Amino acid sequence: KNQVEQSPQSLIILEGKNCTLQCNYTVSPFSNLRWYKQDTGRGPVSLTIMTFSENTKSNGRYTATLDADTKQSSLHITASQLSDSASYICVVSARGGSYIPTFGRGTSLIVHP
Amino acid sequence: NAGVTQTPKFQVLKTGQSMTLQCAQDMNHEYMSWYRQDPGMGLRLIHYSVGAGITDQGEVPNGYNVSRSTTEDFPLRLLSAAPSQTSVYFCASSRNAPPGGLQPQHFGDGTRLSIL
Repeated sequence: KNQVEQSPQSLIILEGKNCTLQCNYTVSPFSNLRWYKQDTGRGPVSLTIMTFSENTKSNGRYTATLDADTKQSSLHITASQLSDSASYICVVSARGGSYIPTFGRGTSLIVHP
Repeated sequence: NAGVTQTPKFQVLKTGQSMTLQCAQDMNHEYMSWYRQDPGMGLRLIHYSVGAGITDQGEVPNGYNVSRSTTEDFPLRLLSAAPSQTSVYFCASSRNAPPGGLQPQHFGDGTRLSIL
């Protein structure tokens, strides 16, 4: 069964600090991995999309990495801001046939001033 | 350009009632999808559409019906609501890639549905 596990479940950091969120998956055969940011009470917003051949993708202060061999991804947030407080969701999709993506449960990030 | 608009934002139903959750997008996207988000779980795909007149089942389709008569609209119908359908429902669209494809999905802000 396809699974996406995210860690930590929650994280509290001080404004200006960096942090890294983890995503491990067992989806096969791998097609792509996406990171979304979901603010409280809002829908998810796409941050990055990576395919098998990409191992790094940046979007401003957000940098995602992918190791397809170990089936791990990370999302690094640099110089955190209060507006980074949100849930970060990892989504992995398989190649061929099924169009059903597998969503992780998310990491809840709180940035304190 | 409003993106993906969902109505209503909140709804309380009694068991056995029916209702339709509305979703509209103004980006001329081919693909539209419905998800549910439950506490402690990842989003799960209910139904999706690859264009007007074409729909298919996702991971958790039971208890829900969809239709796609226009490119813009993709309503989700609960025929006989059950407490297990209490959830937050999100509609999403993407230009020309399915839910698991290589293009980002644009999500609405959700409908919070409680069934008593």
